[in-house]
Amino acid sequence: EAGVAQSPRYKIIEKRQSVAFWCNPISGHATLYWYQQILGQGPKLLIQFQNNGVVDDSQLPKDRFSAERLKGVDSTLKIQPAKLEDSAVYLCASSPLAGASEQFFGPGTRLTVL
Amino acid sequence: EDKVVQSPLSLVVHEGDTVTLNCSYEVTNFRSLLWYKQEKKAPTFLFMLTSSGIEKKSGRLSSILDKKELSSILNITATQTGDSAIYLCAVQSGTYKYIFGTGTRLKVLA
Repeated sequence: EAGVAQSPRYKIIEKRQSVAFWCNPISGHATLYWYQQILGQGPKLLIQFQNNGVVDDSQLPKDRFSAERLKGVDSTLKIQPAKLEDSAVYLCASSPLAGASEQFFGPGTRLTVL
Repeated sequence: EDKVVQSPLSLVVHEGDTVTLNCSYEVTNFRSLLWYKQEKKAPTFLFMLTSSGIEKKSGRLSSILDKKELSSILNITATQTGDSAIYLCAVQSGTYKYIFGTGTRLKVLA
């Protein structure tokens, strides 16, 4: 079974630029999560989708971050404009059912904002 | 505010030692507690503990949930260098919310 795919793996941008990350969850998984993990901290949930609907985006900085999950499969997370404090690893995870506790994580995208 | 606290933050042991990692939590609507191992980037699932499953074991790893003390421990016996990683504790609060601790960085020396 293929795992969660993410791209790019690394991205370096300057502040005020825009960046987008892509995630392809495990086939058939209805729930998709985006996490932000700053160095030395645990992952922080940014947004959760159930199929193509948002069920929790309470910790997403909506003035600069946006996310979508078209057709309930792939998802993109965008930052516009980026700030220095956005430097982090962005993890995508999926699970087959809402509230199912086991999440399968992708390899992550390491973002560096200069 | 929901929070998850892990201790110690880091730990260095020698191969063959036994380690105990701690996780305590304060959440409004506890559903489950999860342990993950994170090497390099992607966390990998170890255990899920709930009110109906408070003890889990897999090989040299085991975990117990203490709902009275609002805490959990992860034990690793006969540690190996391959156990070196960050161990994350996460608590599910309600249906959709997951709160992660900062993790415990374990280094096992040969």
